[in-house]
Amino acid sequence: DAGITQSPRHKVTETGTPVTLRCHQTENHRYMYWYRQDPGHGLRLIHYSYGVKDTDKGEVSDGYSVSRSKTEDFLLTLESATSSQTSVYFCAISGEYYGYTFGSGTRLTVV
Amino acid sequence: DAKTTQPPSMDCAEGRAANLPCNHSTISGNEYVYWYRQIHSQGPQYIIHGLKNNETNEMASLIITEDRKSSTLILPHATLRDTAVYYCIVRVATDDKIIFGKGTRLHILP
Repeated sequence: DAGITQSPRHKVTETGTPVTLRCHQTENHRYMYWYRQDPGHGLRLIHYSYGVKDTDKGEVSDGYSVSRSKTEDFLLTLESATSSQTSVYFCAISGEYYGYTFGSGTRLTVV
Repeated sequence: DAKTTQPPSMDCAEGRAANLPCNHSTISGNEYVYWYRQIHSQGPQYIIHGLKNNETNEMASLIITEDRKSSTLILPHATLRDTAVYYCIVRVATDDKIIFGKGTRLHILP
């Protein structure tokens, strides 16, 4: 979607390795979010940010950390990837009035 | 937990209007009703939102009951490309997060 990009789009990694996913926006929005989506669970919020260096936990934050050192970038890190973290990860941005804009997703496979 | 209740799935014939219901009986006065949809493996896409008046845009219409406890998303002439999962969400305009429910899986039948 215009204004928000995720990288990488696909990644295969081994159990126990660290992984960082990047979300980049050009809209200067304050709020940014990371969701994961698995069959049977829908979209679940992992972490979110309401400003530079201001982040908070979502529904399923265990095993994940985030950082936001500048407005445009929100990083999601899996410190030691596990097979249960195999999922599709979506980043989203939100202005204060309009709805969310989602990225195209990152498909992560942990083997 | 999500603040809305939606049927898990619905069918609609191609070319007919698709009416997707949503119950949000605990909605607060400052919460908007938002609709999103997610087409297979893509990121969710914003459709429409409203506070208490009915709204229409190029994609859909949103009808909110007078007591605001329920709403209906209307796709006026459904096509096969409208096959998706539709999410109804209530959200304060300045709220900082959205919790998604399971949504309604809409099947458009040729």
